[in-house]
Amino acid sequence: DAGVTQSPTHLIKTRGQQVTLRCSPKSGHDTVSWYQQALGQGPQFIFQYYEEEERQRGNFPDRFSGHQFPNYSSELNVNALLLGDSALYLCASSLAAGMRSNQPQHFGDGTRLSIL
Amino acid sequence: AQSVAQPEDQVNVAEGNPLTVKCTYSVSGNPYLFWYVQYPNRGLQFLLKYITGDNLVKGSYGFEAEFNKSQTSFHLKKPSALVSDSALYFCAVRDLSFQKLVFGTGTRLLVSP
Repeated sequence: DAGVTQSPTHLIKTRGQQVTLRCSPKSGHDTVSWYQQALGQGPQFIFQYYEEEERQRGNFPDRFSGHQFPNYSSELNVNALLLGDSALYLCASSLAAGMRSNQPQHFGDGTRLSIL
Repeated sequence: AQSVAQPEDQVNVAEGNPLTVKCTYSVSGNPYLFWYVQYPNRGLQFLLKYITGDNLVKGSYGFEAEFNKSQTSFHLKKPSALVSDSALYFCAVRDLSFQKLVFGTGTRLLVSP
């Protein structure tokens, strides 16, 4: 039973470029959340996708956008990259079950994004 | 707004000794609380959760956590620490409406041989 998988594992970009990160949820899960973890910090919620729609969004600018596909996989897109976007980007999946499920989120190993 | 606080940046303990990693929370209503562990260059692994019921919650790898409503705390504990327990530990609270998690700043646990 595959867990949450993310690609790529590492990525180096320069300021102003655009990046797309990918996530496949754990088998049986239908909800995907994205988090940004800066060095030495706890993860910060970016947004959550369920039924191919953005359901909740954290305090991140519109440069951050996403998508969820019919197979529940998801992409995170970041435009006009800034040095401050350097971080570990984590994808988490869960089973919505009415969006008030008590089930924990399962995390992937993340994508390490470095901006030069 | 929901929030959690982890007052210790680092906890040091000798192998075989009991360990405690502290977490306090601030929520509206009943809290849904979680502990996760992160090893170097890895994602977060779920350890345990408190939703309702017994105040002592048992989780993975011998960890447990004690929910204390009067002190608004949810401390992580283990009776006998292992060197392999050395990692970064995060306490989190779940948003009331959705499944968004709000994390603390993390506590680094160092277990010495």
